Amino acid sequence: EAQVTQNPRYLITVTGKKLTVTCSQNMNHEYMSWYRQDPGLGLRQIYYSMNVEVTDKGDVPEGYKVSRKEKRNFPLILESPSPNQTSLYFCASSFSWGSPYEQYFGPGTRLTVT
Amino acid sequence: AQKITQTQPGMFVQEKEAVTLDCTYDTSDPSYGLFWYKQPSSGEMIFLIYQGSYDQQNATEGRYSLNFQKARKSANLVISASQLGDSAMYFCAMREGGNQFYFGTGTSLTVIP
Repeated sequence: EAQVTQNPRYLITVTGKKLTVTCSQNMNHEYMSWYRQDPGLGLRQIYYSMNVEVTDKGDVPEGYKVSRKEKRNFPLILESPSPNQTSLYFCASSFSWGSPYEQYFGPGTRLTVT
Repeated sequence: AQKITQTQPGMFVQEKEAVTLDCTYDTSDPSYGLFWYKQPSSGEMIFLIYQGSYDQQNATEGRYSLNFQKARKSANLVISASQLGDSAMYFCAMREGGNQFYFGTGTSLTVIP
């Protein structure tokens, strides 16, 4: 089954404790992206990657890191989480070229930083 | 300036009626794509419909159609014959230059029996 998986689905952590949210897709997509969703703000792009070893900042990259060492994986790293990073996080993937290249979303990771 | 603007935080529609959800966008890039996604209360993001900036015809997918008015920079979603299962949050999004994505703040649609 074609899908984007994220782990963990729920995470409660404390300020400053490094964490990684994993994202993996099995559709051979070149493009992968991370978003955060906050009430009243919609989804905001954190980072995206056009292909292996190519990453770019989205609208809200501060406090986050990413890496793209393999095509299928795109982990999101919070090196020193703070309470304002409490949010719902989505990973998504798509082809880079060709219409309509809609994004396929993972199920989301709900992160709480205390 | 906001890249995607959805001015209707909440909408109500009677079952079996049609409803239009508004979306305006802002870009100077000649090549862009416009998307609508549905987010039910369960939280997943479901792709509904896509319109490319060079597409001459309005996109349609079943009961969904996209009213694309390029000069006005609007991309409204029309849902015909609303069903109870259409109650959800709806997001308009734009992919600019093939790279960065922008989402609106969403419209919460409630279908009344």
